[in-house]
Amino acid sequence: AQKVTQAQTEISVVEKEDVTLDCVYETRDTTYYLFWYKQPPSGELVFLIRRNSFDEQNEISGRYSWNFQKSTSSFNFTITASQVVDSAVYFCALIDNTNAGKSTFGDGTTLTVKP
Amino acid sequence: GAGVSQSPRYKVAKRGQDVALRCDPISGHVSLFWYQQALGQGPEFLTYFQNEAQLDKSGLPSDRFFAERPEGSVSTLKIQRTQQEDSAVYLCASSLPTGRAGELFFGEGSRLTVL
Repeated sequence: AQKVTQAQTEISVVEKEDVTLDCVYETRDTTYYLFWYKQPPSGELVFLIRRNSFDEQNEISGRYSWNFQKSTSSFNFTITASQVVDSAVYFCALIDNTNAGKSTFGDGTTLTVKP
Repeated sequence: GAGVSQSPRYKVAKRGQDVALRCDPISGHVSLFWYQQALGQGPEFLTYFQNEAQLDKSGLPSDRFFAERPEGSVSTLKIQRTQQEDSAVYLCASSLPTGRAGELFFGEGSRLTVL
């Protein structure tokens, strides 16, 4: 069975601080895909990144970076120099071969960035 | 339209009523998904279409839930004899590729409240 755990329910930081959101996943498949989505107060989830299980290279996109470590089954997300507009709920998700087409989401981490 | 459109945005139903939720995916997107999101939780998979074919309906909670996509574009999620536990946000997402792990484009959701 596939499972995604986001242990941090809520995080609050002050603007310009760096913040890391943790994601731990479980799957029996060797081929799988990991995702991060952002859900602002408007409610619409927005895709941020996808990684496949064969690509462990870390990725940086502007102030966002992702650290994928198969050894610890983690796919953590770091926001550098956070801004108030980063305030949202962030979800980590997993698709594996056994459950093709079906994304399993964590329960999300609510990030509040205070000015 | 440019994005996934869902209607109604808000629906209040009396217990026992039937409701229908509509999703209009991004034009040309082959795959369409329905998710249920309870307050404070991540989206939970309900069902998945590829064109008009419903490939996976394993997440539908009961036989009161029914989804269709007769012409491979617009989809309707129908809930019969609504119960209070059906109260949630129902998210529709579409995806371009026919493969298993495409990024999802979400609508803003339909918030159902059953009294």
